[in-house]
Amino acid sequence: GAGVSQSPRYKVAKRGQDVALRCDPISGHVSLFWYQQALGQGPEFLTYFQNEAQLDKSGLPSDRFFAERPEGSVSTLKIQRTQQEDSAVYLCASSWGQGPNQPQHFGDGTRLSIL
Amino acid sequence: AQTVTQSQPEMSVQEAETVTLSCTYDTSESNYYLFWYKQPPSRQMILVIRQEAYKQQNATENRFSVNFQKAAKSFSLKISDSQLGDTAMYFCAFMKHAYSGGSNYKLTFGKGTLLTVNP
Repeated sequence: GAGVSQSPRYKVAKRGQDVALRCDPISGHVSLFWYQQALGQGPEFLTYFQNEAQLDKSGLPSDRFFAERPEGSVSTLKIQRTQQEDSAVYLCASSWGQGPNQPQHFGDGTRLSIL
Repeated sequence: AQTVTQSQPEMSVQEAETVTLSCTYDTSESNYYLFWYKQPPSRQMILVIRQEAYKQQNATENRFSVNFQKAAKSFSLKISDSQLGDTAMYFCAFMKHAYSGGSNYKLTFGKGTLLTVNP
């Protein structure tokens, strides 16, 4: 497809389970971002990749959160031992290059609900 | 750290009228970028307009324009001739300039303003 694709669109998990969220960026896009959007809030930055290199992971809330992009295209955000406070929409964005002149294109997000 | 504040949780406007959404921010940076994003119920975030802080001229994109007041750290969005399709959450966002150091490309968002356009 032409846009950023995220799967699954919805995910329900029990507290303590591990989950994996997938992001397929636009083909050829170098930069990839993950954001977390809690209910009624704006998105908050989690982590940033340039190709396969994770250049910034300062927004990951705990060591239970892990992201990878091994071949510089598809990225996976993994959350281990999920907690109720992990419930949110997880947005992925990609851009062709770096910086504000390369607009970030967002996916539809994955809504994660932890029971 | 940067903060972005949107003081209007919800607003409404009649179709064809003009509405202004407010945004203030706090930063110690001298050069940066500001954005307005639109998020319809489908959840996909769409870029509406972008402003570079070192440019004094306010950005304009068709029916969308901004009023950028750098000294006041204010960045409001004006939507003219409102249309039903403008109904969405609107987020103001901040990005540091590339040479500011640190994480240069992440967006810092406000909490958003829910805009409803009524027929």
